[in-house]
Amino acid sequence: AQTVTQSQPEMSVQEAETVTLSCTYDTSESDYYLFWYKQPPSRQMILVIRQEAYKQQNATENRFSVNFQKAAKSFSLKISDSQLGDAAMYFCAYSLYGGATNKLIFGTGTLLAVQP
Amino acid sequence: GAVVSQHPSRVICKSGTSVKIECRSLDFQATTMFWYRQFPKKSLMLMATSNEGSKATYEQGVEKDKFLINHASLTLSTLTVTSAHPEDSSFYICSAEPSGRGGTGELFFGEGSRLTVL
Repeated sequence: AQTVTQSQPEMSVQEAETVTLSCTYDTSESDYYLFWYKQPPSRQMILVIRQEAYKQQNATENRFSVNFQKAAKSFSLKISDSQLGDAAMYFCAYSLYGGATNKLIFGTGTLLAVQP
Repeated sequence: GAVVSQHPSRVICKSGTSVKIECRSLDFQATTMFWYRQFPKKSLMLMATSNEGSKATYEQGVEKDKFLINHASLTLSTLTVTSAHPEDSSFYICSAEPSGRGGTGELFFGEGSRLTVL
């Protein structure tokens, strides 16, 4: 069975600084998707970034980038130039590529605080 | 982007009553929808996969008779918490998968519904 682990329950970063959130996962599949979702206090889940496992290039979305290490089954999120609006709970998630559905398996989450 | 609407966003009910939560995909069809439960500062726990035109698939440990799921159309799934008790108080979130897009990773989330059972 697939599992997703986030070892940092809470993180803190100064505004304008860079922070990296960690995620590891376990799967026997070779093709899958990995995601980072943000859940602000409003509780609406927002997709931050997505990585296809068959792509070697790390995904980037503006200030957000990932370090995808397939062999190590590691998928960390780097937030550059942190802003107050980045404060939220961040979830790493896994979904099987080519499966019957897009069922997501979530990690336990990392609560990110941004200090002014 | 695609929009998924959940209603109500907040509901308070008395113990022993039933509560229905709706999840609608507003601008796309969704053969498959997912229902999650989230406790404060915790992760999302998948409760069930809702399938249009067929029975829902429940995750292990989730009571089927307690959490009734009906996927009435390609744009609507409902979760009914029957005979609610205080321990059912939680944040319930739905997500919808565009029809024909299984295995692509595409998923859109509703805003969530906070249930408080007194």
